Amino acid sequence: DTEVTQTPKHLVMGMTNKKSLKCEQHMGHRAMYWYKQKAKKPPELMFVYSYEKLSINESVPSRFSPECPNSSLLNLHLHALQPEDSALYLCASSPLGRERNTIYFGEGSWLTVV
Amino acid sequence: KNEVEQSPQNLTAQEGEFITINCSYSVGISALHWLQQHPGGGIVSLFMLSSGKKKHGRLIATINIQEKHSSLHITASHPRDSAVYICAVYREYGNKLVFGAGTILRVKS
Repeated sequence: DTEVTQTPKHLVMGMTNKKSLKCEQHMGHRAMYWYKQKAKKPPELMFVYSYEKLSINESVPSRFSPECPNSSLLNLHLHALQPEDSALYLCASSPLGRERNTIYFGEGSWLTVV
Repeated sequence: KNEVEQSPQNLTAQEGEFITINCSYSVGISALHWLQQHPGGGIVSLFMLSSGKKKHGRLIATINIQEKHSSLHITASHPRDSAVYICAVYREYGNKLVFGAGTILRVKS
């Protein structure tokens, strides 16, 4: 199983809503990532979890709140978002150690904030 | 100047043509990825390179570490190859990918 599964695939939310994006992998990878991608731009790193602990936060606004409940799951909690937060949100995972340079991406969650 | 530069930004080819996309980087790296992204959104790593050359089907990727340059070649291109191709590198130390701006490829039948 070399899949990173993201749900939902599409999400429309109002600026006062609270919602979550979910990501799951069963490859035993101990690093997981959230990226944000705007149209016609490369992905931008938001958060990195290593061994279920937040290791990198790229100065992301607090309206985005990541959570890593276990080594297979990664969530991104969304609250009080702005229309400019509309984007494709990509989850990725990679091993740590000798194979750390491999990376697997999910299909992404398309988020629209209205 | 971006740490990873790709060229061309846009490429239109006729079916069957040989295609080359180039990537130059300015930092020490531990690995380089060629990524493919279709309009549906998901990203797939086509190749991970730290030296030499790799081939998979009609795709070939090369890297020259001394010159800090990599190329992705597509032989006998097909409309299904139409996608965005992104070069991304892992800096020598750390676990963050640094992305190029991507090359939008359209193959016409």
